[in-house]
Amino acid sequence: DVKVTQSSRYLVKRTGEKVFLECVQDMDHENMFWYRQDPGLGLRLIYFSYDVKMKEKGDIPEGYSVSREKKERFSLILESASTNQTSMYLCAREGSWPKNIQYFGAGTRLSVL
Amino acid sequence: SQQGEEDPQALSIQEGENATMNCSYKTSINNLQWYRQNSGRGLVHLILIRSNEREKHSGRLRVTLDTSKKSSSLLITASRAADTASYFCAPDTGRRALTFGSGTRLQVQP
Repeated sequence: DVKVTQSSRYLVKRTGEKVFLECVQDMDHENMFWYRQDPGLGLRLIYFSYDVKMKEKGDIPEGYSVSREKKERFSLILESASTNQTSMYLCAREGSWPKNIQYFGAGTRLSVL
Repeated sequence: SQQGEEDPQALSIQEGENATMNCSYKTSINNLQWYRQNSGRGLVHLILIRSNEREKHSGRLRVTLDTSKKSSSLLITASRAADTASYFCAPDTGRRALTFGSGTRLQVQP
């Protein structure tokens, strides 16, 4: 059973706070992803990582950074949270075969007040 | 955009009826995937159809692919209340990451 674990299901933060969203995978897969999901906008890719310390910007990286120090953990960082970053955040990892099937965590619903 | 566009945005049917959702995309693909999302949860992979396949079945799911029209459809037969969810298509264009649209929200009334 595939496991992608996001550390928090719900999070409430204040404007200007530094926020860490953690994601841990159960396997040794290279590719991991962070998306945000907003009503009417679907899932939008923020960042992805294709190996330790390797990252690539997605479609909406502004206001975010990421960290991948170990293969199993991929963190999304909001350096200074803003109200427009209130959203559902979804982490995913790629599968083995076919390689590009994605396995998602349960999501973190972040509210920035 | 390379993402798939699902249609309709919302669909409401009675239990036992069939549900059909459509997906259109813009560029050539290696394969196309369908995912399901229960309310407030992550996405779950349902089925993958390769670009050289025209139809694929998995349980009550039937997926078709027409690469000449750049479209796909997902049919759920004999729907159940538990099928209530959002459904997303994800065309794999060879990029590192898949892209997802806004999905079709399916409501199955008991």
